[in-house]
Amino acid sequence: AQTVTQSQPEMSVQEAETVTLSCTYDTSENNYYLFWYKQPPSRQMILVIRQEAYKQQNATENRFSVNFQKAAKSFSLKISDSQLGDTAMYFCAFSTSGSRLTFGEGTQLTVNP
Amino acid sequence: GAGVSQSPSNKVTEKGKDVELRCDPISGHTALYWYRQSLGQGLEFLIYFQGNSAPDKSGLPSDRFSAERTGGSVSTLTIQRTQQEDSAVYLCASSPRLADDTQYFGPGTRLTVL
Repeated sequence: AQTVTQSQPEMSVQEAETVTLSCTYDTSENNYYLFWYKQPPSRQMILVIRQEAYKQQNATENRFSVNFQKAAKSFSLKISDSQLGDTAMYFCAFSTSGSRLTFGEGTQLTVNP
Repeated sequence: GAGVSQSPSNKVTEKGKDVELRCDPISGHTALYWYRQSLGQGLEFLIYFQGNSAPDKSGLPSDRFSAERTGGSVSTLTIQRTQQEDSAVYLCASSPRLADDTQYFGPGTRLTVL
């Protein structure tokens, strides 16, 4: 069974600063996908970024980038130039092709003005 | 285009009543998932539909929970004889299941069982 662990229940950052959210996972699969979703108070789960395990290059989406370390089973999210709208719960998630998502416990990020 | 929609947005019911929650996936998406988000349990998988294949029901917590997907599109999650521990946000997601396995979520239904 796959597990996903987010060891930081809460984090805060000043506006315009950079913050990194941690995620580790455990699996015996070789091909899989990793995701970061954000969930603001509206509760809409929004995809932030995805990474295919077979790709060595780290995914980036504008201010969001990941540090994917396959051997260490680590998948951290870096948010650059933090904005007030980035305040949300962030979930790390894992799936194999076409299967359910397994989520971490979440990290509540607060961006302070 | 239109995203995943869910209805109702909020549902308050009395213990013992049956409830139906609806999900409209993104047009053309062949895969549909239901998850439950509760304070004590985090995000849990419930059930997964893929095309005409038999659904993966392995996440349903009890036989009071069932789901169907009609015509490969709209899905209904039914909870019979609701209990207070069923109170949670129920999230639906759909996926194109071709080159892209990404799941796109709806806004959820908050269920409160009194």
